[in-house]
Amino acid sequence: DTAVSQTPKYLVTQMGNDKSIKCEQNLGHDTMYWYKQDSKKFLKIMFSYNNKELIINETVPNRFSPKSPDKAHLNLHINSLELGDSAVYFCASSPQQGGLGEQYFGPGTRLTVT
Amino acid sequence: GESVGLHLPTLSVQEGDNSIINCAYSNSASDYFIWYKQESGKGPQFIIDIRSNMDKRQGQRVTVLLNKTVKHLSLQIAATQPGDSAVYFCAEMGGKLIFGQGTELSVKP
Repeated sequence: DTAVSQTPKYLVTQMGNDKSIKCEQNLGHDTMYWYKQDSKKFLKIMFSYNNKELIINETVPNRFSPKSPDKAHLNLHINSLELGDSAVYFCASSPQQGGLGEQYFGPGTRLTVT
Repeated sequence: GESVGLHLPTLSVQEGDNSIINCAYSNSASDYFIWYKQESGKGPQFIIDIRSNMDKRQGQRVTVLLNKTVKHLSLQIAATQPGDSAVYFCAEMGGKLIFGQGTELSVKP
């Protein structure tokens, strides 16, 4: 059983489009995250949710909007995609809030904007 | 500004040797540190963590050392195996989790 799953694994789209990435965790964790990893492997947190409530919102353009319908899901919607949005996006979850303790990462979604 | 960096972006070792991956951090208020391993095409995987009230912690074949005086963190992997080939990230927690750049470890058979 996959602990943290993301769909799709690959996403190729054109500039200006709107797309969503879905994330689900079956670990019973209260806290979920979205990270962006650029081409140089630099990993940066974007958002953190605890029990469906937004906890961390880094300096991310408001074109990015996370949505948590329940504590097992944290989806990422991106409007008006730009070339610079091309990256690998990772969803993660943890039993503890605030980044403490082990975070369980999904397999990633490679987004390519052309 | 706050940053977490690595001394070596790439590291190549012979199978069976010990590996040492280093990390420097700049936020003296950070009180929690983690090492993650990321294999090609996969998400990062937790290896080991350490709190600032400790200077050493051991896991299975891995040891993390923390030197708060010089703000330095290291990951030691004993008897490195081909399966250890991956990118290794250190991360610090000082209010929020900040990941370092990553070091690519390559194990030669």
